[in-house]
Amino acid sequence: DAMVIQNPRYQVTQFGKPVTLSCSQTLNHNVMYWYQQKSSQAPKLLFHYYDKDFNNEADTPDNFQSRRPNTSFCFLDIRSPGLGDAAMYLCATSRVGSYNQPQHFGDGTRLSIL
Amino acid sequence: AQSVTQLDSHVSVSEGTPVLLRCNYSSSYSPSLFWYVQHPNKGLQLLLKYTSAATLVKGINGFEAEFKKSETSFHLTKPSAHMSDAAEYFCSGTYKYIFGTGTRLKVLA
Repeated sequence: DAMVIQNPRYQVTQFGKPVTLSCSQTLNHNVMYWYQQKSSQAPKLLFHYYDKDFNNEADTPDNFQSRRPNTSFCFLDIRSPGLGDAAMYLCATSRVGSYNQPQHFGDGTRLSIL
Repeated sequence: AQSVTQLDSHVSVSEGTPVLLRCNYSSSYSPSLFWYVQHPNKGLQLLLKYTSAATLVKGINGFEAEFKKSETSFHLTKPSAHMSDAAEYFCSGTYKYIFGTGTRLKVLA
């Protein structure tokens, strides 16, 4: 089945130690998104790629970066994680760039900061 | 500004009774609207979508939603709740995949 896969499912890192989360998709969708979701809150969009074009949300901290080396893969880099960055990180994809297409989500990576 | 508002943060129903989860939207143009479900430690799964075709939309697992422009609403319903429906539900849509704050559905045996 076509899907969105996130690795790892659980990630523990130390305060200030860089960490990378990965996402891959077999849907061949143009758009890939990264969301941060804290406990009992709605997902918060960090940024998205439309093909190779990177679109950062205005309130996304500089500490968060992303790479999309090809259509299938997208990475979330947190350069110096703080305690407030502990959260579930969700990757999603959608076809083309219009907002009438639903998003397809991975199962997320839960990030803990020691 | 475009937005979606979920009117209830928690809803409890008994198994076998109807479910109603409420969502209002704000949009200056014809919106696209979605309902997603999230089980613990899982991603969001699409239940149904409205994209200006039929106003009554049927989704998976017996859920449906009705788009009412006059009330700017897109409420999610199910005739008979099942224990497996217990989860967090998110309304999403209009511009830039904005999410509501979520409604946690509890199903009582």
